[in-house]
Amino acid sequence: AQTVTQSQPEMSVQEAETVTLSCTYDTSENNYYLFWYKQPPSRQMILVIRQEAYKQQNATENRFSVNFQKAAKSFSLKISDSQLGDTAMYFCAFMKHGVNSGYALNFGKGTSLLVTP
Amino acid sequence: SAVISQKPSRDICQRGTSLTIQCQVDSQVTMMFWYRQQPGQSLTLIATANQGSEATYESGFVIDKFPISRPNLTFSTLTVSNMSPEDSSIYLCSVGLGGGNTIYFGEGSWLTVV
Repeated sequence: AQTVTQSQPEMSVQEAETVTLSCTYDTSENNYYLFWYKQPPSRQMILVIRQEAYKQQNATENRFSVNFQKAAKSFSLKISDSQLGDTAMYFCAFMKHGVNSGYALNFGKGTSLLVTP
Repeated sequence: SAVISQKPSRDICQRGTSLTIQCQVDSQVTMMFWYRQQPGQSLTLIATANQGSEATYESGFVIDKFPISRPNLTFSTLTVSNMSPEDSSIYLCSVGLGGGNTIYFGEGSWLTVV
């Protein structure tokens, strides 16, 4: 079974600053996907960024980027120019790759991020 | 893209009763997934629902407690049976499209058992 570990239960950052959320995972799979999801108080799960394990290039989506270290099984999320609307719970998630694997996700415990003025 | 509608969005339930949550997708999908998110916790997969076959349950979840129906490729229901306060959670359905490139979640059904 795959395990996903987020070692930072809570983090705080000032508006316009940069913050990095950490995530490590354990798997014997070679092909897989990694995700960061944001969950604001509305409880809606919002995809922030996605990384395919076979791609060496780190994924980037506007102010969000990842540092994917496959050998170290590390997948950190960097949020640049933090905004008040970034305040939310952030979940790191793992998904096996393959038709028969479906799209079931293994989630970490989450990191609660607070962006302060 | 996919739009997922869940009903109810929120409910308060009496101990010992059962409640059925509906999940409607605007695209045909082979697999649908049901997750539970207990208060202050992460999401845990309950089961995978394939159309035309019985759902596959994860360890710790059983069909008698969480029966699932999947009558067609766009719809599924999850029933939480004989509820206790420990079942107070957000229940979310999810689908994947595009070969795993995108995973979509419903807005969740927030159940409180009193």
